[in-house]
Amino acid sequence: KAGVTQTPRYLIKTRGQQVTLSCSPISGHRSVSWYQQTPGQGLQFLFEYFSETQRNKGNFPGRFSGRQFSNSRSEMNVSTLELGDSALYLCASSLQGSDGYTFGSGTRLTVV
Amino acid sequence: AQSVTQPDIHITVSEGASLELRCNYSYGATPYLFWYVQSPGQGLQLLLKYFSGDTLVQGIKGFEAEFKRSQSSFNLRKPSVHWSDAAEYFCAVLLTDSWGKLQFGAGTQVVVTP
Repeated sequence: KAGVTQTPRYLIKTRGQQVTLSCSPISGHRSVSWYQQTPGQGLQFLFEYFSETQRNKGNFPGRFSGRQFSNSRSEMNVSTLELGDSALYLCASSLQGSDGYTFGSGTRLTVV
Repeated sequence: AQSVTQPDIHITVSEGASLELRCNYSYGATPYLFWYVQSPGQGLQLLLKYFSGDTLVQGIKGFEAEFKRSQSSFNLRKPSVHWSDAAEYFCAVLLTDSWGKLQFGAGTQVVVTP
Protein backbone atom coordinates (compact mmCIF):
# COMPACT_ATOMS: atom_id res chain seq x y z
CA LYS A 1 0.00 0.00 0.00
CA ALA A 2 1.10 3.58 -0.51
CA GLY A 3 3.15 5.19 2.22
CA VAL A 4 2.87 8.62 3.74
CA THR A 5 3.06 11.25 1.03
CA GLN A 6 4.27 14.76 1.70
CA THR A 7 4.12 17.59 -0.79
CA PRO A 8 6.00 19.52 -1.88
CA ARG A 9 9.41 17.93 -1.29
CA TYR A 10 11.27 21.22 -1.45
CA LEU A 11 10.17 24.78 -0.89
CA ILE A 12 11.93 28.12 -0.84
CA LYS A 13 10.11 31.05 0.75
CA THR A 14 10.96 34.60 1.73
CA ARG A 15 10.82 35.94 5.27
CA GLY A 16 7.38 37.19 6.13
CA GLN A 17 5.56 34.91 3.72
CA GLN A 18 3.34 32.06 4.73
CA VAL A 19 3.50 28.43 3.63
CA THR A 20 1.24 25.38 3.61
CA LEU A 21 2.57 21.84 3.65
CA SER A 22 0.48 18.79 2.86
CA CYS A 23 0.49 15.24 4.18
CA SER A 24 -1.50 12.27 2.95
CA PRO A 25 -1.39 9.43 5.49
CA ILE A 26 -1.50 5.73 4.81
CA SER A 27 -5.00 4.66 3.90
CA GLY A 28 -6.97 3.88 7.06
CA HIS A 29 -4.64 5.77 9.40
CA ARG A 30 -6.47 8.41 11.37
CA SER A 31 -3.61 9.79 13.45
CA VAL A 32 -1.28 12.29 11.79
CA SER A 33 1.63 13.95 13.56
CA TRP A 34 3.99 16.68 12.42
CA TYR A 35 7.61 17.21 13.38
CA GLN A 36 10.26 19.80 12.70
CA GLN A 37 13.82 18.59 12.25
CA THR A 38 16.79 20.94 12.44
CA PRO A 39 20.50 20.27 13.05
CA GLY A 40 20.45 22.32 16.22
CA GLN A 41 17.20 21.23 17.86
CA GLY A 42 16.77 17.76 16.41
CA LEU A 43 13.29 16.31 16.00
CA GLN A 44 10.62 18.36 17.69
CA PHE A 45 6.94 17.56 17.89
CA LEU A 46 4.59 20.15 16.42
CA PHE A 47 1.09 18.69 16.75
CA GLU A 48 -1.02 15.60 16.29
CA TYR A 49 -4.46 15.17 14.82
CA PHE A 50 -6.85 12.29 15.17
CA SER A 51 -10.17 12.22 13.35
CA GLU A 52 -9.95 15.95 12.58
CA THR A 53 -9.26 16.89 16.23
CA GLN A 54 -5.97 18.20 17.52
CA ARG A 55 -5.07 15.99 20.46
CA ASN A 56 -1.58 17.22 21.26
CA LYS A 57 0.46 20.29 20.57
CA GLY A 58 4.16 20.97 21.00
CA ASN A 59 5.87 24.12 22.18
CA PHE A 60 5.78 26.16 19.01
CA PRO A 61 4.45 29.69 18.52
CA GLY A 62 0.98 30.28 17.19
CA ARG A 63 2.41 30.96 13.74
CA PHE A 64 2.46 27.18 13.36
CA SER A 65 -0.96 25.70 12.83
CA GLY A 66 -2.48 22.64 11.31
CA ARG A 67 -5.66 20.89 10.43
CA GLN A 68 -6.93 17.52 9.38
CA PHE A 69 -9.65 16.80 6.88
CA SER A 70 -12.33 14.14 6.94
CA ASN A 71 -10.23 11.90 4.68
CA SER A 72 -7.39 12.14 7.26
CA ARG A 73 -5.19 14.25 5.00
CA SER A 74 -3.49 16.95 6.97
CA GLU A 75 -1.98 20.34 6.31
CA MET A 76 0.28 22.50 8.37
CA ASN A 77 0.64 26.21 7.91
CA VAL A 78 3.39 28.54 9.00
CA SER A 79 2.66 32.24 8.82
CA THR A 80 5.09 35.15 8.89
CA LEU A 81 8.06 32.95 8.11
CA GLU A 82 11.35 33.52 9.90
CA LEU A 83 14.83 32.37 8.91
CA GLY A 84 14.78 29.97 11.83
CA ASP A 85 11.82 28.12 10.35
CA SER A 86 14.13 26.59 7.77
CA ALA A 87 13.94 22.88 8.48
CA LEU A 88 12.83 19.47 7.33
CA TYR A 89 9.16 19.05 8.21
CA LEU A 90 8.10 15.47 8.69
CA CYS A 91 4.66 14.01 8.81
CA ALA A 92 3.86 10.62 10.33
CA SER A 93 0.71 8.56 10.41
CA SER A 94 -0.51 5.72 12.55
CA LEU A 95 -3.50 3.46 12.81
CA GLN A 96 -3.79 3.76 16.56
CA GLY A 97 -0.50 5.12 17.87
CA SER A 98 0.66 2.08 19.75
CA ASP A 99 1.43 0.28 16.50
CA GLY A 100 4.12 2.80 15.62
CA TYR A 101 4.30 5.71 13.24
CA THR A 102 5.18 5.68 9.55
CA PHE A 103 6.97 8.76 8.32
CA GLY A 104 6.89 10.52 5.01
CA SER A 105 10.04 11.73 3.23
CA GLY A 106 9.49 15.24 4.47
CA THR A 107 9.28 18.74 3.06
CA ARG A 108 12.53 20.70 3.07
CA LEU A 109 11.63 24.35 3.73
CA THR A 110 14.22 27.03 3.19
CA VAL A 111 13.44 30.58 4.27
CA VAL A 112 15.59 33.30 2.70
CA ALA B 1 12.76 15.83 33.70
CA GLN B 2 11.36 13.47 31.10
CA SER B 3 13.97 12.72 28.47
CA VAL B 4 15.39 10.30 25.96
CA THR B 5 19.17 10.09 25.91
CA GLN B 6 21.39 8.68 23.25
CA PRO B 7 24.87 9.06 24.76
CA ASP B 8 26.78 8.49 21.54
CA ILE B 9 26.52 11.25 18.95
CA HIS B 10 28.77 9.48 16.48
CA ILE B 11 29.96 5.88 16.09
CA THR B 12 32.38 4.47 13.56
CA VAL B 13 32.27 0.73 12.93
CA SER B 14 33.98 -1.57 10.46
CA GLU B 15 31.89 -3.48 7.97
CA GLY B 16 31.16 -6.92 9.37
CA ALA B 17 31.67 -5.84 12.97
CA SER B 18 28.91 -5.73 15.55
CA LEU B 19 27.07 -2.55 16.44
CA GLU B 20 25.36 -1.44 19.62
CA LEU B 21 23.57 1.88 20.02
CA ARG B 22 22.53 3.00 23.45
CA CYS B 23 19.28 4.60 24.51
CA ASN B 24 18.13 5.55 28.00
CA TYR B 25 14.85 7.11 28.97
CA SER B 26 13.63 8.93 32.01
CA TYR B 27 9.89 8.61 32.56
CA GLY B 28 7.70 7.57 35.44
CA ALA B 29 6.23 4.58 33.67
CA THR B 30 7.54 2.38 30.90
CA PRO B 31 6.67 4.09 27.66
CA TYR B 32 6.30 2.58 24.25
CA LEU B 33 9.80 2.41 22.75
CA PHE B 34 10.94 2.68 19.16
CA TRP B 35 14.06 2.78 17.04
CA TYR B 36 14.05 4.65 13.76
CA VAL B 37 16.71 5.03 11.07
CA GLN B 38 17.15 8.01 8.77
CA SER B 39 19.22 8.13 5.60
CA PRO B 40 20.37 11.55 4.36
CA GLY B 41 17.53 13.71 3.08
CA GLN B 42 14.95 11.06 3.86
CA GLY B 43 12.23 10.45 6.38
CA LEU B 44 12.46 8.04 9.28
CA GLN B 45 12.01 4.30 8.90
CA LEU B 46 10.79 2.23 11.81
CA LEU B 47 13.26 -0.52 12.72
CA LEU B 48 11.46 -2.03 15.71
CA LYS B 49 9.20 -1.29 18.64
CA TYR B 50 8.58 -2.50 22.17
CA PHE B 51 5.36 -2.31 24.13
CA SER B 52 5.41 -5.24 26.49
CA GLY B 53 6.26 -8.93 26.70
CA ASP B 54 9.53 -10.42 25.52
CA THR B 55 12.27 -7.93 26.28
CA LEU B 56 14.31 -8.89 23.22
CA VAL B 57 12.68 -7.48 20.12
CA GLN B 58 13.52 -8.38 16.55
CA GLY B 59 13.24 -5.78 13.83
CA ILE B 60 13.91 -5.28 10.18
CA LYS B 61 17.32 -5.32 8.47
CA GLY B 62 18.73 -7.74 11.05
CA PHE B 63 18.42 -5.35 14.00
CA GLU B 64 17.32 -6.29 17.49
CA ALA B 65 16.86 -4.35 20.69
CA GLU B 66 16.75 -5.31 24.33
CA PHE B 67 14.57 -3.60 26.89
CA LYS B 68 15.98 -3.48 30.41
CA ARG B 69 13.52 -1.99 32.89
CA SER B 70 16.05 -1.82 35.72
CA GLN B 71 18.35 0.32 33.60
CA SER B 72 15.63 2.25 31.75
CA SER B 73 17.43 1.28 28.57
CA PHE B 74 16.48 0.10 25.12
CA ASN B 75 19.71 -0.61 23.26
CA LEU B 76 19.83 -1.45 19.58
CA ARG B 77 22.17 -4.11 18.24
CA LYS B 78 23.22 -5.69 14.99
CA PRO B 79 25.64 -8.63 14.89
CA SER B 80 27.28 -7.78 11.56
CA VAL B 81 27.08 -4.32 10.01
CA HIS B 82 26.77 -3.72 6.28
CA TRP B 83 27.89 -0.57 4.48
CA SER B 84 24.22 0.23 3.83
CA ASP B 85 23.66 0.58 7.60
CA ALA B 86 25.44 3.93 7.57
CA ALA B 87 22.75 6.38 8.65
CA GLU B 88 21.44 8.24 11.66
CA TYR B 89 19.56 6.27 14.28
CA PHE B 90 16.95 7.68 16.61
CA CYS B 91 15.48 6.22 19.74
CA ALA B 92 11.96 7.44 20.52
CA VAL B 93 9.36 7.04 23.23
CA LEU B 94 5.60 7.40 23.23
CA LEU B 95 3.66 8.00 26.40
CA THR B 96 0.15 6.64 26.64
CA ASP B 97 -1.14 10.01 27.85
CA SER B 98 0.40 11.78 24.86
CA TRP B 99 -0.73 9.84 21.83
CA GLY B 100 0.89 10.98 18.65
CA LYS B 101 3.73 12.73 20.43
CA LEU B 102 6.92 10.80 19.84
CA GLN B 103 9.83 12.13 21.87
CA PHE B 104 13.14 11.55 20.19
CA GLY B 105 16.68 11.27 21.35
CA ALA B 106 19.33 13.43 19.67
CA GLY B 107 20.33 10.62 17.35
CA THR B 108 23.49 8.60 16.73
CA GLN B 109 25.31 8.96 13.44
CA VAL B 110 26.77 5.64 12.32
CA VAL B 111 29.67 5.56 9.89
CA VAL B 112 30.69 2.23 8.36
CA THR B 113 34.27 1.81 7.18
CA PRO B 114 35.47 -0.85 4.73
